[in-house]
Amino acid sequence: QSVLTQPPSVSAAPGQKVTISCSGSSSNIGNNYVSWYQQLPGTAPKLLIYDNNKRPSGIPDRFSGSKSGTSATLGITGLQTGDEADYYCGTWDSSLSAGHVFGTGTKVTVL
Amino acid sequence: QVQLVQSGAEVKKPGASVKVSCKASGYTFTSYGISWVRQAPGQGLEWMGWISAYNGNTNYAQKLQGRVTMTTDTSTSTAYMELRSLRSDDTAVYYCARDANTALDYWGQGTLVTVSS
Repeated sequence: QSVLTQPPSVSAAPGQKVTISCSGSSSNIGNNYVSWYQQLPGTAPKLLIYDNNKRPSGIPDRFSGSKSGTSATLGITGLQTGDEADYYCGTWDSSLSAGHVFGTGTKVTVL
Repeated sequence: QVQLVQSGAEVKKPGASVKVSCKASGYTFTSYGISWVRQAPGQGLEWMGWISAYNGNTNYAQKLQGRVTMTTDTSTSTAYMELRSLRSDDTAVYYCARDANTALDYWGQGTLVTVSS
């Protein structure tokens, strides 16, 4: 029942770049900040990007975020085996059932 | 450093209740809210609701209204999430996270709640 749509999977070789899209609407992405979370296997999610394109302390600049209209994108450059994980976008939804909403999740595979 | 430490795994029967705790440290507890997020096996993240650690105001996901209660104890910097009338589809890992309004910036380690007869 996620209101934000992501591709189920993306893959690339080590050192390459991947992008993950997150599509929403005017009630969520269109009028609110977007965040991105990395979930390594068997662990809790970790904040990667907040306020569309800001990185918390300790997150390498290989990770970048952008937003345009009702969509957002996460980019990962210089792909490493340790980047294999599930990635989720998140934002606030201002509709009748207001609250945080998450994307459907994208599995990144390093070939 | 900011840490959120959750209580241990629980096994409950259908119809029972569960209460999960989340002890915060490394920051001023009342300066941030706490959100609760759950993840069913093999599924994505589902936001359950939020509580202000400052004044106890809450905002619950519509889907869980009437079954969930979130509280805080500022004397111990601990947040609690109680879910009642458990069903098999409530089986999930439950996470607490510090809510910085535009993002959930620190997460607990998760608590597995299994609902089974």
